[in-house]
Amino acid sequence: SQTIHQWPATLVQPVGSPLSLECTVEGTSNPNLYWYRQAAGRGLQLLFYSVGIGQISSEVPQNLSASRPQDRQFILSSKKLLLSDSGFYLCAWGGTGLAKNIQYFGAGTRLSVL
Amino acid sequence: AQRVTQPEKLLSVFKGAPVELKCNYSYSGSPELFWYVQYSRQRLQLLLRHISRESIKGFTADLNKGETSFHLKKPFAQEEDSAMYYCALRDQAGTALIFGKGTTLSVSS
Repeated sequence: SQTIHQWPATLVQPVGSPLSLECTVEGTSNPNLYWYRQAAGRGLQLLFYSVGIGQISSEVPQNLSASRPQDRQFILSSKKLLLSDSGFYLCAWGGTGLAKNIQYFGAGTRLSVL
Repeated sequence: AQRVTQPEKLLSVFKGAPVELKCNYSYSGSPELFWYVQYSRQRLQLLLRHISRESIKGFTADLNKGETSFHLKKPFAQEEDSAMYYCALRDQAGTALIFGKGTTLSVSS
């Protein structure tokens, strides 16, 4: 069966420091992968999605970037964190076939930028 | 423009009362809509999708194209229904989902 892993679960970083959040999927090949930010009062905001290795689409211009170095690995990065980057970050993968358009979410990373 | 609107941030009801979580959408063509739920300390997960026309945990949702709505309903709320609910719309490209801002449902006894 398919599983999705995100780490770390919690992260506290100072303003101006770099960021790297990792997401990996097991049990499926060539999934669509997604990064979302969940912020209070703003709901679930799509940040990036990827339909294949090296293919990244950005939905919201901001201080973050994403990369997909391997088929089942999706990384969210920043060179210099801002206070406004604090939030709950979710990775998801998209189903195929009968499950097409269903997204399956990881447990999330809570990022606090101080 | 593609958009999902959930007008209520918080909905509080008593156990046994009917529940309706509102969702309106804006979309050109035939929309594909979903309800996702996030219980406390659990992952965000799919509750139901309109093309399945199913009832999950007593919840149903009917697509009303005339009113561009996809409201989530349950006749008798249970305390374990307390959670954050998101309505979502498949985007025009068919690649991503557009989520509403979510509604927190609180069911008390």
